Amino acid sequence: GAVVSQHPSRVICKSGTSVKIECRSLDFQATTMFWYRQFPKKSLMLMATSNEGSKATYEQGVEKDKFLINHASLTLSTLTVTSAHPEDSSFYICSARPGLTYEQYFGPGTRLTVT
Amino acid sequence: QQQVKQSPQSLIVQKGGISIINCAYENTAFDYFPWYQQFPGKGPALLIAIRPDVSEKKEGRFTISFNKSAKQFSLHIMDSQPGDSATYFCAASPLGGATNKLIFGTGTLLAVQP
Repeated sequence: GAVVSQHPSRVICKSGTSVKIECRSLDFQATTMFWYRQFPKKSLMLMATSNEGSKATYEQGVEKDKFLINHASLTLSTLTVTSAHPEDSSFYICSARPGLTYEQYFGPGTRLTVT
Repeated sequence: QQQVKQSPQSLIVQKGGISIINCAYENTAFDYFPWYQQFPGKGPALLIAIRPDVSEKKEGRFTISFNKSAKQFSLHIMDSQPGDSATYFCAASPLGGATNKLIFGTGTLLAVQP
């Protein structure tokens, strides 16, 4: 149980284009989902927290107009990287929390490369 | 005060040995302390977690030891195997609120030599 999927697993896009990453909780309902960014050999950096049906809360320094987050249902959250640039290349990982529990279950991650 | 300090940065252990990773925190509002295991190119997987009302929790070869007064907690991997080679992250989450954000440590790269 507690499986989280992400799609796509890898994406290559050209500079200036937008990319959408989907995060789904497959066997539970997630009232809260989180989006992280991870640089090589570094820890996870929380970008934003999203609650179903409400606006995402972004961490300090994260541009909300660049990283659009939508949590339209209890099983789906999306992250759209708008007008992507090479410096946005990174490993993006989502996590989901069942109900009001403490546990967070992570997706397999999406490797974004912007050329 | 929101930081979680993790050590060592990297660790080499012989097969069958005990791997020990330590974390320390300052915020007394932290109420939940999970450990995650991450393989290269994959998302972190929840390994084991503890709440501060107990001093130790064991699941198979993995044990968390928790010292509330010292504000420290550690992960012990008994009978370490080459398949345990991965990056391990400790984390902490504060009390209350609907979001309960996880604050992650910097990670420990474990290599178990056969």
